[in-house]
Amino acid sequence: SQTIHQWPATLVQPVGSPLSLECTVEGTSNPNLYWYRQAAGRGLQLLFYSVGIGQISSEVPQNLSASRPQDRQFILSSKKLLLSDSGFYLCAWSPAGHGYTFGSGTRLTVV
Amino acid sequence: TQLLEQSPQFLSIQEGENLTVYCNSSSVFSSLQWYRQEPGEGPVLLVTVVTGGEVKKLKRLTFQFGDARKDSSLHITAAQPGDTGLYLCAGQYGNKLVFGAGTILRVKS
Repeated sequence: SQTIHQWPATLVQPVGSPLSLECTVEGTSNPNLYWYRQAAGRGLQLLFYSVGIGQISSEVPQNLSASRPQDRQFILSSKKLLLSDSGFYLCAWSPAGHGYTFGSGTRLTVV
Repeated sequence: TQLLEQSPQFLSIQEGENLTVYCNSSSVFSSLQWYRQEPGEGPVLLVTVVTGGEVKKLKRLTFQFGDARKDSSLHITAAQPGDTGLYLCAGQYGNKLVFGAGTILRVKS
């Protein structure tokens, strides 16, 4: 069966520090991978998605970047965090279209 | 830009009552998905509707996709405290899944 792993679960980082969140998927090949950010109790904002290794589409211009170095690995990064980067970050995968499976999320607090 | 408007934003009801959550857009989606999310966890898929006019039932939950594939509704019959959570609709547009703002449902016993 397919599983998705996302870590860390919580993170407190100072303003100006770098960020690296990792997401890996098991049990499937060539999945579509996604990074979302969620404000408290509200909808999800799509940040990046990838349909293959090295292929990244950015939805919102911002202080973040994404990379897909391997088929089942998706990384969200920042060189210098801002206070506004705080939020709940979710990774998801989909077999090209239907039924997304989400990771358990990373709660990022920038202080 | 594809936008999904979800209503109401917040719903507080007594156990046993019925409720409906609406999801509307001016865009046509290839599919419409409903998710439920608990605090501190990722959303969990409830259902995917694909065909215009489609109706799906999941126990006490009934999901409907509009004929034009631009809107959807979620109806819960005889709500229970365990139904409490954030309900999210999401529309598939190409390779992207676009989310509504969510409905926070609280069912009081």
